[in-house]
Amino acid sequence: GAGVSQSPSNKVTEKGKDVELRCDPISGHTALYWYRQSLGQGLEFLIYFQGNSAPDKSGLPSDRFSAERTGGSVSTLTIQRTQQEDSAVYLCASNNPEPPLFLVNEQFFGPGTRLTVL
Amino acid sequence: DAKTTQPNSMESNEEEPVHLPCNHSTISGTDYIHWYRQLPSQGPEYVIHGLTSNVNNRMASLAIAEDRKSSTLILHRATLRDAAVYYCILRDPISAQGGSEKLVFGKGTKLTVNP
Repeated sequence: GAGVSQSPSNKVTEKGKDVELRCDPISGHTALYWYRQSLGQGLEFLIYFQGNSAPDKSGLPSDRFSAERTGGSVSTLTIQRTQQEDSAVYLCASNNPEPPLFLVNEQFFGPGTRLTVL
Repeated sequence: DAKTTQPNSMESNEEEPVHLPCNHSTISGTDYIHWYRQLPSQGPEYVIHGLTSNVNNRMASLAIAEDRKSSTLILHRATLRDAAVYYCILRDPISAQGGSEKLVFGKGTKLTVNP
């Protein structure tokens, strides 16, 4: 079946502009995650949505970052007034962390959006 | 989250076994050991996970030390397609259920496979 998809695959923007990154999770997955990966680094958690629960926003680096998930499916990550340090690959993942699968918590990742802020 | 330590890089030859180590000396009794890998220009993918016993699946084997303070991911016959960054991650499913399911990634081990 279809995996996690993200768009755009590449985004180049100018410093100070706002950007929106989109994630389409695997159909039926209740949980959705955003991570970012700066050059040569591991993944850094940003935000987590699970069903109707309040999202875990503990990884968002500043108030310029926000995300929403509409209808429990598609998610949009918005970065306002982009800065050069926001340049990274933004990865989205989804899964169903419900029993009995919660022991595995296998997360399915999309290909990412490469954001470059000039 | 408990910390894991992995070598920055390793090299292997094609068709040979590869043993990727991970140290997790502060692991708690309820932490599971997960391995993911990230192929070039792709998102990470799940490889294997275990708690105490050694585990095998179609991708790899996971050998867990008796004291659980270290583990080794084993690729039995490396192929060029196994060249990737391999991440060892600890996760406590019980505490995760009460909070966030996020995975905490370190920098991983970059595996180079030589033809």
